[in-house]
Amino acid sequence: EAGVAQSPRYKIIEKRQSVAFWCNPISGHATLYWYQQILGQGPKLLIQFQNNGVVDDSQLPKDRFSAERLKGVDSTLKIQPAKLEDSAVYLCASSLGQRGPYNEQFFGPGTRLTVL
Amino acid sequence: GEDVEQSLFLSVREGDSSVINCTYTDSSSTYLYWYKQEPGAGLQLLTYIFSNMDMKQDQRLTVLLNKKDKHLSLRIADTQTGDSAIYFCAESNNRDDKIIFGKGTRLHILP
Repeated sequence: EAGVAQSPRYKIIEKRQSVAFWCNPISGHATLYWYQQILGQGPKLLIQFQNNGVVDDSQLPKDRFSAERLKGVDSTLKIQPAKLEDSAVYLCASSLGQRGPYNEQFFGPGTRLTVL
Repeated sequence: GEDVEQSLFLSVREGDSSVINCTYTDSSSTYLYWYKQEPGAGLQLLTYIFSNMDMKQDQRLTVLLNKKDKHLSLRIADTQTGDSAIYFCAESNNRDDKIIFGKGTRLHILP
């Protein structure tokens, strides 16, 4: 089966510019996650969707970050305006949406964002 | 809040065993995981263990859990060059689906 797709793979922007990332989860996966992974750190959850509804966005800096999953499939994450500290890899993951370890999260390759 | 700690680097000679250690703070952790991240790739789930288990073995991988000390380890037998990666310890609980990751241990294989 096809894995989680993300684009672009790399993006370089200047601070105060806007950027958007796209994620296509595994077909049939109800839950979609966006993580931020700063260099030398583990992934940190930004937002979690169940179908097209937000389950958890407590760690999302809502003054500049936004995300949507309008039809319950693809998702976009936007940063506007970007700051230097937003430089990171943005990982998208998806899962079937069941509780427990069988709710394995499958990760995409990530988008590496560099803010100059 | 919940926290997961692990050492940042480990160097091992090819053919030897690698042991990566992790400690966590959440006493209500239900599931503990080991993920592998190769350069330029996303995270891949290697193995997981329920909190009511002490040990789990899967081919070259052995996971040991000391729930009393909140200590988790991953042993990779006969370490190969393809095992070179960053290994993340992670935990979750029954309250929600949130997975808390450690900072990762970079495993370097010496020839």
